[in-house]
Amino acid sequence: EAQVTQNPRYLITVTGKKLTVTCSQNMNHEYMSWYRQDPGLGLRQIYYSMNVEVTDKGDVPEGYKVSRKEKRNFPLILESPSPNQTSLYFCASSSQPTARPHEQYFGPGTRLTVT
Amino acid sequence: GENVEQHPSTLSVQEGDSAVIKCTYSDSASNYFPWYKQELGKRPQLIIDIRSNVGEKKDQRIAVTLNKTAKHFSLHITETQPEDSAVYFCAASKIGGYSTLTFGKGTMLLVSP
Repeated sequence: EAQVTQNPRYLITVTGKKLTVTCSQNMNHEYMSWYRQDPGLGLRQIYYSMNVEVTDKGDVPEGYKVSRKEKRNFPLILESPSPNQTSLYFCASSSQPTARPHEQYFGPGTRLTVT
Repeated sequence: GENVEQHPSTLSVQEGDSAVIKCTYSDSASNYFPWYKQELGKRPQLIIDIRSNVGEKKDQRIAVTLNKTAKHFSLHITETQPEDSAVYFCAASKIGGYSTLTFGKGTMLLVSP
């Protein structure tokens, strides 16, 4: 089954404790992205990756890191989480331009709470 | 960069009524406009999209219209049903290579039986 998976789905942590949210897709997609969703602010892109070892900042990259060592995986790293990073995070992947060039397949989301 | 404005933020309709959600974009080079639906507690999913060389596209009860000159596009849902209740996001992007998909802030649609 074609899918994007994220782990963990829920995480409560404390300020300053490094954490990683994993994302994996099995559709051989080149493009992957991370978004955060906050009430009233919609979906804002944190980072994206066009291919292995190619990443770039989105609209709200501060406080986050990513890496793309393998095509299928795109982990999101919070080196020193702060309460303002409490949010719902979505990973997404998409294929090369096709009839639907940028259809984003979203993961199930990770609800992160930083206290 | 691209900026997408979406209105209204909430929309309540009676079952069977039509619903219209409107978006405007700022970058005249944007040429791909998808709409995503996010049901409560679930992930966003693409429901319809339109390219800038097309003025209107329909898929059963949903349709999208695009006015390139005015830089706005709209989602139309006819004969609404309670299962249409969700948050709807519009977005804008450029076809070719990879460009950021910029989302609007979302519209919560509530369809009352």
